[in-house]
Amino acid sequence: AQSVTQLGSHVSVSEGALVLLRCNYSSSVPPYLFWYVQYPNQGLQLLLKYTSAATLVKGINGFEAEFKKSETSFHLTKPSAHMSDAAEYFCAVSPGGYQKVTFGTGTKLQVIP
Amino acid sequence: DAGVIQSPRHEVTEMGQEVTLRCKPISGHNSLFWYRQTMMRGLELLIYFNNNVPIDDSGMPEDRFSAKMPNASFSTLKIQPSEPRDSAVYFCASSLRMDGANVLTFGAGSRLTVL
Repeated sequence: AQSVTQLGSHVSVSEGALVLLRCNYSSSVPPYLFWYVQYPNQGLQLLLKYTSAATLVKGINGFEAEFKKSETSFHLTKPSAHMSDAAEYFCAVSPGGYQKVTFGTGTKLQVIP
Repeated sequence: DAGVIQSPRHEVTEMGQEVTLRCKPISGHNSLFWYRQTMMRGLELLIYFNNNVPIDDSGMPEDRFSAKMPNASFSTLKIQPSEPRDSAVYFCASSLRMDGANVLTFGAGSRLTVL
C-alpha cells in the first residue's frame, strides 16, 4: 500500500518569502511522486513529477521538489512567493504504470501581501 | 484538445433521486479515474479504469454507487438513490503514462448537492 502525509493543512507566507510545503511518503516499491495544485472551483493541475530520473525536479511557476529517499520526503519549494501562488497543493504517490494515484489531504497556501 | 470534460458542472437534487455524472476523457488516454472531494475526507479515489475495464472499485462507498465506461471516450458515475451525505465535488481524470508515471489530467468537476 502507498500513502502520502502532508504536514500542515494551512501554510501562510509573506509575498516574496520562501514557500515550503512538506510531504512524506510511504511505499513498498520505488514510488512515482507528484505535486498538483488546485485553484478555487477548478480541477487539479500537475505542478511536477518525480520518476527517478533526477532527485531534484523542476516544475511550472518556479516550483521545485527534491526526492530524499533517506527521509522518505518530497517537499515542495519556491524561493519567492507570489500572490498568484495562493491555492491548495496536493502531494500524490503511485507505484507506476497504469496504477492508482493516491493523494494527500492537501495544504492550503495563503500569501500575505 | 479540450481537456477532460465533465457534466453537469452543478447538480442540485433531492434525496432519493438518481444522479448521473458524465465524463469525456482526453483522446488517447488509457486510464480514467473518478475521485470525490469533500472538506471532511479530502480527495478520495472511487474507481479507476484501464482500457475501459474497471480495475479497482474498492473506493466506491456502497452499492448505491456504480460506474461504467462503455467506450474509450465516455464514462458515467451513477448514484441511486442519492443521499445528503453524497454531496461533494466529483472529479474525473484521465491519464497518460509519461516516463513510467501515471500523469492525471483532471476535469473541472461536478458539484453535487443533495437536499
